[in-house]
Amino acid sequence: KAGVTQTPRYLIKTRGQQVTLSCSPISGHRSVSWYQQTPGQGLQFLFEYFSETQRNKGNFPGRFSGRQFSNSRSEMNVSTLELGDSALYLCASSATGTALYEQYFGPGTRLTVT
Amino acid sequence: AQTVTQSQPEMSVQEAETVTLSCTYDTSESDYYLFWYKQPPSRQMILVIRQEAYKQQNATENRFSVNFQKAAKSFSLKISDSQLGDAAMYFCALYNFNKFYFGSGTKLNVKP
Repeated sequence: KAGVTQTPRYLIKTRGQQVTLSCSPISGHRSVSWYQQTPGQGLQFLFEYFSETQRNKGNFPGRFSGRQFSNSRSEMNVSTLELGDSALYLCASSATGTALYEQYFGPGTRLTVT
Repeated sequence: AQTVTQSQPEMSVQEAETVTLSCTYDTSESDYYLFWYKQPPSRQMILVIRQEAYKQQNATENRFSVNFQKAAKSFSLKISDSQLGDAAMYFCALYNFNKFYFGSGTKLNVKP
């Protein structure tokens, strides 16, 4: 079974621009969660999508948004980029979206904002 | 508020020896889940072990075991017979209210 894939792996953007990151979950997984990882803040939960609906949301500004498609692939969008948005963005998929089943993480997208 | 604290930013262990990584957490809930994740330098996060709060028995996965002290809200990870491949960042995580809360991580170095 193919693992979670994320594209692109690396991205450099300028302040004020917007960016879209993509995540393809493991086949059959319907839940996709997004995390921001920075050296200072660690791993922070952004949001979770399950069956095309946002089920949970972390404490991030509205500039961070996402969506999930019918094939469970998910995209995350960040508008009006700020320097502080530079981070590793991880997505994780799970079979049922509950903690009873482990989350499988992708390799991440390294976003650098200049 | 749910918080997870890992007080050891970095640790080192000699190959074949045992090391314990500490984690404390705070939650007002009685039903929750705890996890240890490993993130090798390649960045792919991998689940190491998980513990259901309602279970008193400590979870074990091969060389990895936990010491779960619910009253003290402590969840430490013991790695026995450390191997070079164990070198990674280790994250402790709490799951409740349908969200994961991660600690800041402990970088484990394994010396040959």
